[in-house]
Amino acid sequence: QVQLVQSGAEVKKPGSSVKVSCKASGGTFRNYAFGWVRQAPGQGLEWVGGIIPILHIPNYAQKFRGRVTFTADESTSTAYMELRSLTSDDTAVYYCAKDISGSLPTYFVFWGQGTLITVSS
Amino acid sequence: EIVLTQSPGTLSLSPGERATLSCRASQSVSGRYLAWYQQKPGQAPRLLIYGASTRATGIPDRFSGSGSGTDFTLTISRLEPEDFAVYSCQQYYSSITFGQGTRLEIK
Repeated sequence: QVQLVQSGAEVKKPGSSVKVSCKASGGTFRNYAFGWVRQAPGQGLEWVGGIIPILHIPNYAQKFRGRVTFTADESTSTAYMELRSLTSDDTAVYYCAKDISGSLPTYFVFWGQGTLITVSS
Repeated sequence: EIVLTQSPGTLSLSPGERATLSCRASQSVSGRYLAWYQQKPGQAPRLLIYGASTRATGIPDRFSGSGSGTDFTLTISRLEPEDFAVYSCQQYYSSITFGQGTRLEIK
């Protein structure tokens, strides 16, 4: 059974960066897509972007292009999302998710528990 | 960008009733590349339906999806107490976008 375990909640200052990790266990790591979806308080889900580890080619939502980086470390089965130049609008729960098709865009079968990122001065 | 609009925003029903949730796309979602998720407070989304009508593993058959083009529907045939949650649609035909969600609450 696939499990995704994300890093813990963080509080960041405006203008800073945050890096969230997502460690996968069970299943194959490198062949499937990892996506990142965020949810601001009381709001709907929003696509941030993702990566397929075997291809090392990221896929970005246009809104975040230039401000986010996705990486994957196959040796530790961990995917990462780094978001820069944070503002209060970036306050949200960030979810990592994994597909079973190996392509992007896709739907997501497995989800992490979410990581709350709070941006506040 | 394909915008997904879900209706209604909130649906109030009783256990045992039938729920019909709508997801309308601003342009055609070819190939029926549409998924539905259920989300309960404090939890991650749970995949219910992909390909517009294929149930994900372990999803009860009271959940069904239909539609094509720009109009899609999630139907829950007989509501169980555990079905009251927020439901979101997602298209994956052109990048990825989500609808704003429909809250299904107990009447």
